[in-house]
Amino acid sequence: NAGVTQTPKFQVLKTGQSMTLQCAQDMNHEYMSWYRQDPGMGLRLIHYSVGAGITDQGEVPNGYNVSRSTTEDFPLRLLSAAPSQTSVYFCASSYFGRRVSSGANVLTFGAGSRLTVL
Amino acid sequence: SQKIEQNSEALNIQEGKTATLTCNYTNYSPAYLQWYRQDPGRGPVFLLLIRENEKEKRKERLKVTFDTTLKQSLFHITASQPADSATYLCALDIRSGGGADGLTFGKGTHLIIQP
Repeated sequence: NAGVTQTPKFQVLKTGQSMTLQCAQDMNHEYMSWYRQDPGMGLRLIHYSVGAGITDQGEVPNGYNVSRSTTEDFPLRLLSAAPSQTSVYFCASSYFGRRVSSGANVLTFGAGSRLTVL
Repeated sequence: SQKIEQNSEALNIQEGKTATLTCNYTNYSPAYLQWYRQDPGRGPVFLLLIRENEKEKRKERLKVTFDTTLKQSLFHITASQPADSATYLCALDIRSGGGADGLTFGKGTHLIIQP
């Protein structure tokens, strides 16, 4: 099992460009989420999904779009990149979701995608 | 406002001693509290969780305590080793309306075990 796979690992964008960060998991997890990690700020939740077809906003959703058409994939889209979106992005998944709605939401993280917006 | 605080400065501990990390929170009532380890350039890895009705949890050299009155969790690593050097993150699992909104993380404590 690969776990949670994120691509690309590194990306440099110019202000105003768009791009998609990919996230795939092979653990049949229902819950998937995106966090960004900035120095001095810790991990902050951007968007999450409790199952295919369902997405919701986290703490810092502005400037990002998500969709969840399959259980395995949860891409994060930047429509018009800004320097403030320079960060390390982590995708994370868990069993918690529509089928499992009790117990702890223990996350499995990907290795991260480092994004620089010039 | 809601806040989670962890030791912001690096914690230096001599090899073999017990390292104790603190996580304090305000204005939350978490169902669970979790601890993760993060190495440079990698994603966080789950270590332990403790439920709101539990006082203490152990796993090998790791021990977590949870005091919901003080709103504090302590994370202990006994017989520390240089390989334990990493950043340790505290995360609160807060439920609203019975759903899983996501974990709220502290900023982490950088632990350095010196040989």
